[in-house]
Amino acid sequence: DAKTTQPTSMDCAEGRAANLPCNHSTISGNEYVYWYRQIHSQGPQYIIHGLKNNETNEMASLIITEDRKSSTLILPHATLRDTAVYYCIVDAGGYFGNEKLTFGTGTRLTIIP
Amino acid sequence: SAVISQKPSRDICQRGTSLTIQCQVDSQVTMMFWYRQQPGQSLTLIATANQGSEATYESGFVIDKFPISRPNLTFSTLTVSNMSPEDSSIYLCSVTNGRGTEAFFGQGTRLTVV
Repeated sequence: DAKTTQPTSMDCAEGRAANLPCNHSTISGNEYVYWYRQIHSQGPQYIIHGLKNNETNEMASLIITEDRKSSTLILPHATLRDTAVYYCIVDAGGYFGNEKLTFGTGTRLTIIP
Repeated sequence: SAVISQKPSRDICQRGTSLTIQCQVDSQVTMMFWYRQQPGQSLTLIATANQGSEATYESGFVIDKFPISRPNLTFSTLTVSNMSPEDSSIYLCSVTNGRGTEAFFGQGTRLTVV
């Protein structure tokens, strides 16, 4: 699995955009970048994923650099409910049936009122 | 999307005993996984639950300690055997329908071994 590196923690003011970086310099060409978050005492929640192109959904935007060695998750208008641990994951790749996710330590995002 | 029901949500068990955790999904899914999350830590994959065959275990996890069943495409169980206080963790079930799709997680089973 490609390894990811994320800052241990970040703060963001409520209402501002939260930009969470992730480094995955050893990513392979067929590996997706996934983002999940875990709010205290809950199971992880899917946010977004992408392969090469930037992606946007109702929750967030994912910006992947052209060389795919890093990405940024953007929460456009952070609220207090966005306080969570955010995990950037690069999948195992390979043949169908090997879709396990390997979680790193993630970034603890705290939204400040 | 998939809705996962995990039971029990929490339990307190005596050391030396075993606990079986159930994971029920509201639709057929391709892949089912079991994770462990120790206090203050990230998630660690225990195994992939394979329908009708033995689970595929990650390094550091063995079938005798964590037997897993998956009789069909919507249900799986994880047993934590001969428990010790070091097994106190949150155990989570996860499902997905293949690469490039989102994974869904249960709310977890909070296990305390005393």
